[in-house]
Amino acid sequence: AQSVTQLGSHVSVSEGALVLLRCNYSSSVPPYLFWYVQYPNQGLQLLLKYTTGATLVKGINGFEAEFKKSETSFHLTKPSAHMSDAAEYFCAVTSTGYSSASKIIFGSGTRLSIRP
Amino acid sequence: DTGVSQDPRHKITKRGQNVTFRCDPISEHNRLYWYRQTLGQGPEFLTYFQNEAQLEKSRLLSDRFSAERPKGSFSTLEIQRTEQGDSAMYLCASSLGLAGSSTDTQYFGPGTRLTVL
Repeated sequence: AQSVTQLGSHVSVSEGALVLLRCNYSSSVPPYLFWYVQYPNQGLQLLLKYTTGATLVKGINGFEAEFKKSETSFHLTKPSAHMSDAAEYFCAVTSTGYSSASKIIFGSGTRLSIRP
Repeated sequence: DTGVSQDPRHKITKRGQNVTFRCDPISEHNRLYWYRQTLGQGPEFLTYFQNEAQLEKSRLLSDRFSAERPKGSFSTLEIQRTEQGDSAMYLCASSLGLAGSSTDTQYFGPGTRLTVL
């Protein structure tokens, strides 16, 4: 079975500071990993995803994440926070090789606040 | 490409009533998913369609819940005899479902927020 743990339900950073949102996963098979962002009263938007190949994945809005198999982690980073980055961020995992592979397992989310 | 749309966006109902939600996926997408998101939590998978076939249902989908996708296009999610615990955001997503692909990018709609009084 797959699972995702997001460390920190709320992260607050100053505008212009580094953003680091932590995610650890558990999977018995090679995982596909995702980060989604959710703005208030909106659906989820895909930021980036890792399937295979390069472990450093670049996404939209200047975000990137690195897949580290040895640490079972997929942390999300952005060098310089912007006020518009304030939102809820979800790390997610799905599996390869099963008929139900399209099912996404989400973490509980991290709310990112940006201080002026 | 108008994206995934859901209707209604908000629904307030009294306990015991039936409600139905509609999801219109991106037009060429043949996979459609329903998720439920409660306050402060991530979305939880409910069910999944490949064209008109419902291929998987979560244990979260009790007998009071039923989903259909009759022509492989739009889908409906019905909740019968609603309970206060059904209050949540119901999200729909769709994906292209490429042949031979075990997973592909899911695009989410804005959700339907259900409040059961």
